Amino acid sequence: DAKTTQPPSMDCAEGRAANLPCNHSTISGNEYVYWYRQIHSQGPQYIIHGLKNNETNEMASLIITEDRKSSTLILPHATLRDTAVYYCIVSGGPTNDYKLSFGAGTTVTVRA
Amino acid sequence: DTGVSQNPRHKITKRGQNVTFRCDPISEHNRLYWYRQTLGQGPEFLTYFQNEAQLEKSRLLSDRFSAERPKGSFSTLEIQRTEQGDSAMYLCASSLAAGGIKGGYTFGSGTRLTVV
Repeated sequence: DAKTTQPPSMDCAEGRAANLPCNHSTISGNEYVYWYRQIHSQGPQYIIHGLKNNETNEMASLIITEDRKSSTLILPHATLRDTAVYYCIVSGGPTNDYKLSFGAGTTVTVRA
Repeated sequence: DTGVSQNPRHKITKRGQNVTFRCDPISEHNRLYWYRQTLGQGPEFLTYFQNEAQLEKSRLLSDRFSAERPKGSFSTLEIQRTEQGDSAMYLCASSLAAGGIKGGYTFGSGTRLTVV
């Protein structure tokens, strides 16, 4: 699986957009970019995923660069409940459609 | 459906004892996964099932660990002769196969094991 690089931590003001970057320069053409988050003492929660096109759902937006070497997760209006560790994961190629390789993630703290 | 359920939520055991955890996946999901997470680290893959078949086991899963999924429904993870290094959060997740991963896993809240 391609590895990802994320900043270890970031702060965000409540009500503002949070932009979380992720580098995945070794991603292969058929691998997806996934984002999960983990709130303290809970299991990871799926947020969004994408292959090439930008994606949006009720939780977030995912912007993938044209060369697919990096992406940004956007939380449009951060709330205190969005404080969590956010994981960017690349997976889903033909040899692995089942395993998620979590890194250390980005610890996001939303401040009032 | 209430999601993925794991029991117990917490388990404290003495070194050398055996422990067993249970996971009840989302009913229509035919894939079930076990992960382990130590403090400050992201979850690490242990093993997964498609229906009742265990299709891959990580090298992290020593011979003291065994997982089963009888009849492709709930799953159990047993650790024999526990060691202090087994202390971790054990997470279960489920998904649909054949593209289910493209839609994401659903994780349970985990079982926190403390070996004293």
